[in-house]
Parts: sequence; C-alpha cells; structure tokens
Amino acid sequence: AQKVTQAQTEISVVEKEDVTLDCVYETRDTTYYLFWYKQPPSGELVFLIRRNSFDEQNEISGRYSWNFQKSTSSFNFTITASQVVDSAVYFCALITNFGNEKLTFGTGTRLTIIP
Amino acid sequence: DGGITQSPKYLFRKEGQNVTLSCEQNLNHDAMYWYRQDPGQGLRLIYYSQIVNDFQKGDIAEGYSVSREKKESFPLTVTSAQKNPTAFYLCASSTDSYGYTFGSGTRLTVV
Repeated sequence: AQKVTQAQTEISVVEKEDVTLDCVYETRDTTYYLFWYKQPPSGELVFLIRRNSFDEQNEISGRYSWNFQKSTSSFNFTITASQVVDSAVYFCALITNFGNEKLTFGTGTRLTIIP
Repeated sequence: DGGITQSPKYLFRKEGQNVTLSCEQNLNHDAMYWYRQDPGQGLRLIYYSQIVNDFQKGDIAEGYSVSREKKESFPLTVTSAQKNPTAFYLCASSTDSYGYTFGSGTRLTVV
C-alpha cells in the first residue's frame, strides 16, 4: 500500500515571500510517479508536475521548483516570490501500480498569500 | 478543445433520493475515475474503469454505483444507501501514468 503525507494543513505568507510545501510518500515499489496539483477556488485540479522515481533532478519552472529526494521519500514544492494568484489548495499524489493506475493523494495544503 | 465535462456544477438531493452525476471526456482516454473530496481529507477514490464495460471499486464505493457503456462517459449514481453524500465530486481520465485530467467537479448537497 502507498501513502502520501502533507503535514502542513494550512500556510499563510505575505506576498513576495518564498514558501515550501512539504510532501512525504511511502511505497514499497521501486518504480513510481509523483505529482503536484493545484486546486484553485473554482475546484478543478490543475496539473503542475510529474516526476518518475528514477529522475532525482530538481526542476524549476518559473517561480516554481521541486526538490525530489528518494533518501528521505520527499517531494517538496517551493514557490518563490509568491503572488496572490498562488492562493489555492495544493495536492501531492503518487502512482505505483502501472496498468492499474490509481492516484493516491495527500490531504492537501491550503496556501493563502496575503497581499 | 479536449477535456472533461462534469454536470451539473451544483446538485441538491433530498433524503432517500438517488442522483446521477455526469462525466464526459473527449480525450480518447481509456481510464476514468471518480473521486470524492471532503474538507481536510483530500481526495478519495470511489470507482474507476480501465476499459468500456468494466469497472472496479475504489476505497469508498459503498452507496455509489457506476456504468461504463461508452468510452466517453462514466456516470456516477449516488444512491440512498450513501448516508453522508454531501461532498465535492471530481471525475478524471487518464491514458497512461503521465497523469490525470480532471473535470471541474460537482458539488452535491443533501437538503
């Protein structure tokens, strides 16, 4: 069985501050994919990134960056110079069972950017 | 544009009624999924379907039913057996482990 833990339930930061959202996962499989999704107030989940278990390179996309560390089973997400539009709920998720691909989600972190 | 359409956006159900939530995709994806979202609990899998005419229970299938008669459609029925149906329901589809495409959700409220 797999599990995703997002220990931070809610985070509030002032605009332009950097913020890191934590994600810790558990799986016995050696091959898996990790994801981050953003859920704005409208409700739809927006795909942000996918990372496979064999690629530990960190990734940067504009103000977003992701730090994948297999040694600590973590896949943390950092927003640099946060903006009000970043306010949303962010979910980390995991797939391990290829051919029967069910996403396992964390409980989400609600991020509020204060203007 | 390809995507997933969920309808209605808001749905109200009386006690004891069955209601059906619609999910349609034009992405030609084989797999489709239904998730339920409650505050502070993340998303939990209700049912999923890998191919037409086949579906499996997820983690919280009790009180729900689905059908998959067409590749494009995966409706979810919330039956009267579901004792606490008030929640936000999300439909998704996927074609490989690249990730899911989600619909915009249906908010169901029992009145």
